[in-house]
Amino acid sequence: GEDVEQSLFLSVREGDSSVINCTYTDSSSTYLYWYKQEPGAGLQLLTYIFSNMDMKQDQRLTVLLNKKDKHLSLRIADTQTGDSAIYFCAEKTGGYQKVTFGTGTKLQVIP
Amino acid sequence: GAVVSQHPSWVICKSGTSVKIECRSLDFQATTMFWYRQFPKQSLMLMATSNEGSKATYEQGVEKDKFLINHASLTLSTLTVTSAHPEDSSFYICSARGGREATGELFFGEGSRLTVL
Repeated sequence: GEDVEQSLFLSVREGDSSVINCTYTDSSSTYLYWYKQEPGAGLQLLTYIFSNMDMKQDQRLTVLLNKKDKHLSLRIADTQTGDSAIYFCAEKTGGYQKVTFGTGTKLQVIP
Repeated sequence: GAVVSQHPSWVICKSGTSVKIECRSLDFQATTMFWYRQFPKQSLMLMATSNEGSKATYEQGVEKDKFLINHASLTLSTLTVTSAHPEDSSFYICSARGGREATGELFFGEGSRLTVL
């Protein structure tokens, strides 16, 4: 079955880079996603990567995928206070319908 | 990006009453919508998959008679929490599949916070 895990908390200083890590167990993952959730709000899709890619860059965001180790990371360059939120990784496996979410990492940016 | 709207954004009700939450896709048609539940400081748990014109598919452990889902049109799905109890208090989030279908991109509503007294 699917199991997606993340560290619970990350604290960085404004201007530094943040790296949020995620591990998953299902090797049949097709797409992997990063979502951002601000307090009391829904989820915002930040970026996604296809499983045959190992890196994707989108402005300040860099996604790295190590399929062999089933490890996904999100790097945020020049982290800002507005980046403070909970970040969820998610994987889409096999069937088209289901997306499984990780436990979420709370990012705290210190001014 | 695609817009998904939920209503109400928050609701307080008495124990034993029923509460209906709406999920609308505003600028695209969604044949499939998903309902998630999120407890404080926890991840999203998929409750059910709502398919337009057919019965919803519920995840294991989710009571279909308690959480009624209706997907009557391509832009609207509703979740009704029947005979709500305090343990049903949670943040309910819907999502709809849109955009580039091959990626299965999901766009989320703002969420509905239910508090049962």
